[in-house]
Amino acid sequence: QVQLVESGGGVVQPGRSLRLSCAASGFTFSSYGMHWVRQAPGKGLEWVAVIWYDGSNKYYADSVKGRFTISRDNSKNTLYLQMNSLRAEDTAVYYCARDRSPHIVVVTALDGMDVWGQGTTVTVSS
Amino acid sequence: SYELTQPPSVSVSPGQTARITCSGDALPKQYAYWYQQKPGQAPVLVIYKDSERPSGIPERFSGSSSGTTVTLTISGVQAEDEADYYCQSADSSVVFGGGTKLTVL
Repeated sequence: QVQLVESGGGVVQPGRSLRLSCAASGFTFSSYGMHWVRQAPGKGLEWVAVIWYDGSNKYYADSVKGRFTISRDNSKNTLYLQMNSLRAEDTAVYYCARDRSPHIVVVTALDGMDVWGQGTTVTVSS
Repeated sequence: SYELTQPPSVSVSPGQTARITCSGDALPKQYAYWYQQKPGQAPVLVIYKDSERPSGIPERFSGSSSGTTVTLTISGVQAEDEADYYCQSADSSVVFGGGTKLTVL
């Protein structure tokens, strides 16, 4: 079945780095754009980043631009989020999600997120 | 980036109709999407492209659009519909609304 499984979360000190992974299965991973979305404790959903199906383009929320990097390895069906210079306000559950339509190459054509992982928790604390 | 505005909470009795609104300047030209999130669970897409329902989503969930406001309507609300609901759209970037807590009285 179609599935996304995140891993790599944990407790990290401010200023340090962490890399999250999202393993995809049950669909043609290389055809779909992929998102990272986070949710701070007791707060709403916050979009973090998106990467096109072929990795050719990436977009970030202003809150993480310059610190986080989204990437993918289509040969391994895996999405990544490299998080550097972590701050307390980055503490959240991080979800990966699939964009609903394949082969999208324009931000305005992004078509919602129809498959979500279960999330991995990142806690930034000294 | 632009914003999407939702009411923080909506309350309805079982069997009644719940309407959750989402307002944003880009909504006349960009589609809206709705997600349901229950405590401790990942979000679930319940409406896409303003008014389309994914397979497996009950018919009581519907969506509509008028100008700068989109609306999620849940007809015949059931206790299991109690959850947080988020709208989402994409313009120069992707944005979520602040979320609406639906309470079934």
